[in-house]
Amino acid sequence: SYVLTQPPSVSVAPGKTARITCGGNNIATQNVHWYQHRPGQAPVVVIYYDYDRPSGIPERFSGSKSGDTATLTISRVVAGDEADYYCQVWDSSDDHWVFGGGTKLTVL
Amino acid sequence: EVQLVESGGGLVQPGGTLRLSCAASGFTSSDYYMDWVRQAPGKGLEWVGRSRNKANNYITKFAASVKGRFTISRDDSKNSLYLQMNNLKTEDTAVYYCSRERAASAFDYWGQGTLVTVSS
Repeated sequence: SYVLTQPPSVSVAPGKTARITCGGNNIATQNVHWYQHRPGQAPVVVIYYDYDRPSGIPERFSGSKSGDTATLTISRVVAGDEADYYCQVWDSSDDHWVFGGGTKLTVL
Repeated sequence: EVQLVESGGGLVQPGGTLRLSCAASGFTSSDYYMDWVRQAPGKGLEWVGRSRNKANNYITKFAASVKGRFTISRDDSKNSLYLQMNNLKTEDTAVYYCSRERAASAFDYWGQGTLVTVSS
Protein backbone atom coordinates (compact mmCIF):
# COMPACT_ATOMS: atom_id res chain seq x y z
CA SER A 1 0.00 0.00 0.00
CA TYR A 2 1.03 3.59 -0.58
CA VAL A 3 2.82 5.35 2.28
CA LEU A 4 3.10 9.10 2.83
CA THR A 5 5.88 10.36 5.12
CA GLN A 6 5.79 13.74 6.85
CA PRO A 7 8.15 15.25 9.44
CA PRO A 8 6.51 15.15 12.88
CA SER A 9 7.17 18.81 13.53
CA VAL A 10 8.22 22.06 11.91
CA SER A 11 8.96 25.28 13.79
CA VAL A 12 9.07 28.76 12.29
CA ALA A 13 9.22 32.33 13.54
CA PRO A 14 6.38 34.72 12.74
CA GLY A 15 6.77 36.37 9.36
CA LYS A 16 9.02 33.63 8.04
CA THR A 17 8.26 30.81 5.59
CA ALA A 18 7.28 27.30 6.68
CA ARG A 19 7.75 24.33 4.37
CA ILE A 20 6.07 21.03 5.19
CA THR A 21 7.08 18.05 3.10
CA CYS A 22 5.19 14.90 2.18
CA GLY A 23 7.21 12.02 0.78
CA GLY A 24 5.78 9.22 -1.32
CA ASN A 25 6.93 6.96 -4.14
CA ASN A 26 6.72 9.05 -7.30
CA ILE A 27 4.22 11.36 -5.64
CA ALA A 28 4.63 13.76 -8.55
CA THR A 29 2.22 11.49 -10.48
CA GLN A 30 -0.44 11.70 -7.75
CA ASN A 31 -3.02 14.36 -6.93
CA VAL A 32 -2.05 15.70 -3.50
CA HIS A 33 -4.40 17.45 -1.08
CA TRP A 34 -3.41 19.27 2.12
CA TYR A 35 -5.43 19.82 5.30
CA GLN A 36 -5.05 22.09 8.30
CA HIS A 37 -6.33 20.67 11.58
CA ARG A 38 -6.53 22.76 14.70
CA PRO A 39 -7.26 20.98 18.03
CA GLY A 40 -10.95 20.58 18.68
CA GLN A 41 -11.93 21.76 15.22
CA ALA A 42 -12.85 20.12 11.94
CA PRO A 43 -10.02 19.71 9.42
CA VAL A 44 -9.96 22.26 6.60
CA VAL A 45 -8.61 21.71 3.09
CA VAL A 46 -5.99 24.36 2.32
CA ILE A 47 -4.64 22.99 -0.98
CA TYR A 48 -6.29 20.58 -3.40
CA TYR A 49 -5.07 19.04 -6.62
CA ASP A 50 -1.47 19.89 -5.72
CA TYR A 51 -1.65 23.64 -6.17
CA ASP A 52 -5.24 24.89 -6.03
CA ARG A 53 -6.42 26.97 -3.13
CA PRO A 54 -10.08 26.92 -1.99
CA SER A 55 -11.86 30.23 -1.63
CA GLY A 56 -11.15 31.76 1.74
CA ILE A 57 -7.67 30.27 2.06
CA PRO A 58 -5.00 32.98 2.09
CA GLU A 59 -2.60 33.26 -0.84
CA ARG A 60 0.17 32.65 1.70
CA PHE A 61 -0.63 28.94 1.33
CA SER A 62 0.80 27.21 -1.74
CA GLY A 63 1.58 23.69 -2.90
CA SER A 64 4.23 22.14 -5.11
CA LYS A 65 5.59 18.71 -5.92
CA SER A 66 8.53 17.10 -7.66
CA GLY A 67 9.76 13.52 -7.84
CA ASP A 68 9.02 11.82 -4.53
CA THR A 69 8.16 14.96 -2.53
CA ALA A 70 5.17 17.28 -2.28
CA THR A 71 5.52 20.48 -0.30
CA LEU A 72 3.09 22.79 1.44
CA THR A 73 4.56 26.27 1.76
CA ILE A 74 3.16 28.85 4.14
CA SER A 75 4.60 32.33 3.63
CA ARG A 76 4.62 35.14 6.18
CA VAL A 77 3.53 32.77 8.92
CA VAL A 78 1.23 34.09 11.65
CA ALA A 79 0.32 32.65 15.02
CA GLY A 80 -3.04 31.48 13.66
CA ASP A 81 -1.28 29.09 11.29
CA GLU A 82 -0.23 26.92 14.22
CA ALA A 83 -1.91 23.56 13.61
CA ASP A 84 -1.38 20.02 12.40
CA TYR A 85 -1.05 19.64 8.64
CA TYR A 86 -1.77 16.46 6.67
CA CYS A 87 -1.17 15.48 3.08
CA GLN A 88 -3.51 13.06 1.32
CA VAL A 89 -3.57 11.04 -1.90
CA TRP A 90 -5.81 8.41 -3.47
CA ASP A 91 -4.11 5.01 -3.66
CA SER A 92 -5.55 3.55 -6.83
CA SER A 93 -3.82 0.20 -6.32
CA ASP A 94 -5.74 -0.43 -3.07
CA ASP A 95 -8.69 1.80 -3.95
CA HIS A 96 -8.51 3.81 -0.77
CA TRP A 97 -7.43 7.16 0.64
CA VAL A 98 -4.09 7.63 2.38
CA PHE A 99 -3.13 10.36 4.83
CA GLY A 100 0.38 11.30 5.82
CA GLY A 101 1.23 11.02 9.50
CA GLY A 102 0.81 14.74 10.02
CA THR A 103 3.16 17.61 10.83
CA LYS A 104 2.73 19.86 13.84
CA LEU A 105 3.54 23.44 12.87
CA THR A 106 4.74 25.53 15.79
CA VAL A 107 4.99 29.29 15.48
CA LEU A 108 7.78 30.44 17.76
CA GLU B 1 -24.61 26.73 4.19
CA VAL B 2 -23.14 23.25 4.05
CA GLN B 3 -23.09 21.47 7.40
CA LEU B 4 -22.26 17.98 8.58
CA VAL B 5 -23.22 16.97 12.11
CA GLU B 6 -22.11 13.66 13.59
CA SER B 7 -23.79 11.95 16.50
CA GLY B 8 -23.97 8.58 18.20
CA GLY B 9 -20.56 8.39 19.81
CA GLY B 10 -20.06 7.12 23.34
CA LEU B 11 -18.53 4.47 25.56
CA VAL B 12 -18.83 0.85 24.45
CA GLN B 13 -17.21 -2.36 25.61
CA PRO B 14 -14.85 -4.36 23.43
CA GLY B 15 -16.84 -6.59 21.11
CA GLY B 16 -19.77 -4.21 21.21
CA THR B 17 -21.55 -2.30 18.48
CA LEU B 18 -22.24 1.36 17.79
CA ARG B 19 -23.92 3.27 15.00
CA LEU B 20 -22.76 6.75 14.12
CA SER B 21 -24.93 9.19 12.21
CA CYS B 22 -23.98 12.12 10.01
CA ALA B 23 -26.74 14.60 9.21
CA ALA B 24 -26.05 16.70 6.13
CA SER B 25 -27.62 20.05 5.34
CA GLY B 26 -27.13 22.71 2.71
CA PHE B 27 -26.63 20.14 -0.07
CA THR B 28 -28.04 16.85 -1.32
CA SER B 29 -25.80 14.18 0.14
CA SER B 30 -26.89 11.55 -2.40
CA ASP B 31 -25.09 13.59 -5.10
CA TYR B 32 -21.76 13.24 -3.33
CA TYR B 33 -19.21 10.69 -2.25
CA MET B 34 -19.06 10.68 1.55
CA ASP B 35 -16.28 9.46 3.81
CA TRP B 36 -15.57 8.63 7.43
CA VAL B 37 -12.19 9.58 8.90
CA ARG B 38 -11.01 9.01 12.47
CA GLN B 39 -8.32 10.32 14.78
CA ALA B 40 -7.20 8.20 17.71
CA PRO B 41 -5.90 10.03 20.80
CA GLY B 42 -2.48 11.51 20.06
CA LYS B 43 -2.47 10.11 16.53
CA GLY B 44 -3.03 11.42 13.02
CA LEU B 45 -5.96 11.24 10.67
CA GLU B 46 -6.91 7.77 9.42
CA TRP B 47 -9.34 7.16 6.56
CA VAL B 48 -12.02 4.66 7.60
CA GLY B 49 -14.30 4.21 4.62
CA ARG B 50 -16.18 5.72 1.73
CA SER B 51 -19.60 5.58 0.13
CA ARG B 52 -19.84 6.60 -3.49
CA ASN B 53 -22.81 8.67 -4.56
CA LYS B 54 -26.24 7.47 -5.70
CA ALA B 55 -25.25 7.63 -9.37
CA ASN B 56 -22.53 5.11 -8.51
CA ASN B 57 -24.84 2.87 -6.51
CA TYR B 58 -23.46 3.91 -3.13
CA ILE B 59 -20.59 1.45 -3.55
CA THR B 60 -18.52 1.30 -0.35
CA LYS B 61 -14.85 0.76 0.39
CA PHE B 62 -13.08 0.38 3.73
CA ALA B 63 -9.64 0.54 5.26
CA ALA B 64 -8.09 -2.84 6.02
CA SER B 65 -8.23 -2.09 9.76
CA VAL B 66 -12.05 -2.03 9.78
CA LYS B 67 -13.01 -4.14 6.76
CA GLY B 68 -15.55 -6.79 7.67
CA ARG B 69 -16.53 -5.01 10.90
CA PHE B 70 -17.76 -1.58 9.71
CA THR B 71 -20.43 -0.77 7.13
CA ILE B 72 -21.72 2.49 5.66
CA SER B 73 -25.33 3.14 4.76
CA ARG B 74 -27.44 6.09 3.73
CA ASP B 75 -30.96 7.40 4.16
CA ASP B 76 -31.74 9.85 1.37
CA SER B 77 -35.04 10.83 2.98
CA LYS B 78 -33.06 12.12 5.97
CA ASN B 79 -30.09 13.35 3.93
CA SER B 80 -27.94 11.27 6.25
CA LEU B 81 -25.02 8.86 6.32
CA TYR B 82 -24.37 6.14 8.88
CA LEU B 83 -21.38 4.16 10.09
CA GLN B 84 -22.29 0.83 11.66
CA MET B 85 -19.43 -0.43 13.79
CA ASN B 86 -19.44 -4.04 14.97
CA ASN B 87 -17.02 -6.11 17.02
CA LEU B 88 -15.36 -2.96 18.30
CA LYS B 89 -11.79 -3.08 19.55
CA THR B 90 -9.93 -0.81 21.94
CA GLU B 91 -7.90 0.48 18.98
CA ASP B 92 -11.11 1.82 17.43
CA THR B 93 -11.18 4.51 20.13
CA ALA B 94 -11.09 7.80 18.25
CA VAL B 95 -12.93 10.91 17.18
CA TYR B 96 -14.89 10.00 14.05
CA TYR B 97 -15.43 12.62 11.37
CA CYS B 98 -17.90 12.60 8.51
CA SER B 99 -16.73 14.39 5.37
CA ARG B 100 -17.91 15.27 1.89
CA GLU B 101 -15.70 14.17 -0.98
CA ARG B 102 -15.61 15.70 -4.41
CA ALA B 103 -15.24 12.33 -6.23
CA ALA B 104 -11.56 11.43 -5.87
CA SER B 105 -10.79 15.02 -5.05
CA ALA B 106 -10.33 16.64 -1.67
CA PHE B 107 -12.72 16.44 1.29
CA ASP B 108 -14.22 19.91 1.12
CA TYR B 109 -16.46 19.81 4.20
CA TRP B 110 -16.07 18.05 7.53
CA GLY B 111 -18.18 17.66 10.62
CA GLN B 112 -16.96 18.47 14.12
CA GLY B 113 -16.58 14.81 14.99
CA THR B 114 -18.00 12.42 17.58
CA LEU B 115 -15.93 10.56 20.16
CA VAL B 116 -16.04 6.78 20.37
CA THR B 117 -14.39 5.14 23.36
CA VAL B 118 -13.99 1.38 23.43
CA SER B 119 -13.10 0.23 26.90
CA SER B 120 -14.12 -2.28 29.54
